[in-house]
Amino acid sequence: GESVGLHLPTLSVQEGDNSIINCAYSNSASDYFIWYKQESGKGPQFIIDIRSNMDKRQGQRVTVLLNKTVKHLSLQIAATQPGDSAVYFCAENIAGTYKYIFGTGTRLKVLA
Amino acid sequence: GAVVSQHPSWVICKSGTSVKIECRSLDFQATTMFWYRQFPKQSLMLMATSNEGSKATYEQGVEKDKFLINHASLTLSTLTVTSAHPEDSSFYICSARVGAGVIVEQFFGPGTRLTVL
Repeated sequence: GESVGLHLPTLSVQEGDNSIINCAYSNSASDYFIWYKQESGKGPQFIIDIRSNMDKRQGQRVTVLLNKTVKHLSLQIAATQPGDSAVYFCAENIAGTYKYIFGTGTRLKVLA
Repeated sequence: GAVVSQHPSWVICKSGTSVKIECRSLDFQATTMFWYRQFPKQSLMLMATSNEGSKATYEQGVEKDKFLINHASLTLSTLTVTSAHPEDSSFYICSARVGAGVIVEQFFGPGTRLTVL
C-alpha cells in the first residue's frame, strides 16, 4: 500500500507484481519529463524520459505515462524485482529553460 | 558515455572551514553544469546553474557568497562551501548538460556527502 507522512511516501509491492509510482508536476509550461531512481548515498540514475508531445513511452520493464490535462506523470514497473527498491523522483523541465524541478519522491519497497 | 564524477565522495570538516567539491564531465564537454543539494529524505533542490566562462546563476534563497561556484573549463565545475556550519551538512549533487541548443538532458554525478562538525 501507499503511505504519506513525515517521511517520503512509501509504496510497498510484492516481488513479481507491477508497481505504479505517481507524480504531480507543477508547471503547465514544462515540456520534458524524466524519471530517476536513487539508491541510498548515490546520485540519481536515469530511468526513462518523455516529451510533452507524447502521452506514453515504453522502455525495458518500465512505462511512463503523461497526462498533461491534469499535470500527472506515472511510472509503471513490470514484474518488480528486489533490485528496484529505491527512491524514485520525477523531474520536469520548463520549456525555454535548462533547469529541472524535482518532485518530492516515492520510496519503493519490494517485499520478497 | 556521458559520465559525471564528483570528488570527494564524502568529506567531514570542522565548523568555520571551507570545503571544495569538484564536478567533472569525463567524456564530454559541458557548457552548463548544475549544483543541487539534498537533505535526508527530501528531494533534490537546485542551488545554482554554472556556465563555463561566466558567473553562476543562483536560485532564490541560495547565498552566492557562501556557495562559490567556478566553471573554469568545459569539463570542470567546483562548488566551495565557505565557512561551513552544521546546517550546511547535506548531500551535494552536480549534473552536466549534454549538447547545446534545445538539448536539455542532464547527467548526474554520484554526489558528495558533506558533514560539518
